[in-house]
Amino acid sequence: GQSLEQPSEVTAVEGAIVQINCTYQTSGFYGLSWYQQHDGGAPTFLSYNGLDGLEETGRFSSFLSRSDSYGYLLLQELQMKDSASYFCAYPLDKIIFGKGTRLHILP
Amino acid sequence: NAGVTQTPKFQVLKTGQSMTLQCAQDMNHNSMYWYRQDPGMGLRLIYYSASEGTTDKGEVPNGYNVSRLNKREFSLRLESAAPSQTSVYFCASTLTGGAAEAFFGQGTRLTVV
Repeated sequence: GQSLEQPSEVTAVEGAIVQINCTYQTSGFYGLSWYQQHDGGAPTFLSYNGLDGLEETGRFSSFLSRSDSYGYLLLQELQMKDSASYFCAYPLDKIIFGKGTRLHILP
Repeated sequence: NAGVTQTPKFQVLKTGQSMTLQCAQDMNHNSMYWYRQDPGMGLRLIYYSASEGTTDKGEVPNGYNVSRLNKREFSLRLESAAPSQTSVYFCASTLTGGAAEAFFGQGTRLTVV
């Protein structure tokens, strides 16, 4: 089957760095996407890794290792507005999402 | 450029009633999706349409039907609503199946009593 596993919750301090991990199982693989969702809002796209390595977009970076079936989202210089849920997903003919990681940020 | 538009934003139904959730995108995307989101369950795919004229079941299709009316519009119908269908429903679209970035509507919060 196809599945993505990520921690249900992560807590970090404002200004710090946090990593959200995602492991996956799939019969076919094209890449790994990341989405952010604030409470009451819709998911919004953050980044995509189609190849192994690190992709950087401002304070957010995403990493992929296809040999380990593993990726992570790295958030730096955490701000209170980063409190949200984060989803990894892989796009096939349809898009499959993980269950999401709730990020709590402490002042 | 509105992106993906869903209607209605909120709805309360009685058990057994029917309703249709509407979704339209103005980005000329080929693929469209319907998800439901329940606490702790993430986004679960109900149905998707890889291209105009095709629809396929996702992970949780029971109790739902869909229609890809044209390239822009993809509707979700609940024929006989049940309390288990209380959820937040999201429509999404991508340029093609397998595209990295999905665009989401603002969601429909549905309560079945």
